Amino acid sequence: NAGVTQTPKFQVLKTGQSMTLQCAQDMNHEYMSWYRQDPGMGLRLIHYSVGAGITDQGEVPNGYNVSRSTTEDFPLRLLSAAPSQTSVYFCASSRETANYGYTFGSGTRLTVV
Amino acid sequence: GENVEQHPSTLSVQEGDSAVIKCTYSDSASNYFPWYKQELGKGPQLIIDIRSNVGEKKDQRIAVTLNKTAKHFSLHITETQPEDSAVYFCAARFRSGGSNYKLTFGKGTLLTVNP
Repeated sequence: NAGVTQTPKFQVLKTGQSMTLQCAQDMNHEYMSWYRQDPGMGLRLIHYSVGAGITDQGEVPNGYNVSRSTTEDFPLRLLSAAPSQTSVYFCASSRETANYGYTFGSGTRLTVV
Repeated sequence: GENVEQHPSTLSVQEGDSAVIKCTYSDSASNYFPWYKQELGKGPQLIIDIRSNVGEKKDQRIAVTLNKTAKHFSLHITETQPEDSAVYFCAARFRSGGSNYKLTFGKGTLLTVNP
């Protein structure tokens, strides 16, 4: 099994550009989430989904959109990139709503200039 | 609100010594507490977890203890080795509305094991 796959691994954007970070899992997990990791701030929840068609906001949702049309995929969209969105982004999935250990992807390092 | 405090932020030990990382959480209803290890350039990986109906859990050199009354839990690594060097995150499960839950993470501890 591939687990959780994130693409791309690295991305540089100009301020104002939009892009989509891809996340796919092949474990039939219901629960998926996006975190951003910044130095000294730990992992902060952006958005999460408890199943196909259901999404909700986390701690830092502004500037990001998500959708969950299938169980496998949970893309994160940056609407108009800002330098404050420079970060490492992790997608994670779990068997049940946060009641089991998450499986994390390997991350996307995003730089907004 | 949901909060997880993790201490220390950095920890340096000699190979073979023990390492202890402590976390406190804000919601007494939290019932699931995982620990993650993150090596440089990689995503966090689950190393051990504990549920609120258990006070202690061990897996070889790693153990986690939970004190529900004091709302804190700790990671214990014995006989540390250089490959234990990494950033460690604790987390707690909080209700996020209705029947939904989420994990909130501590800010991490950078553990360095010196040969």
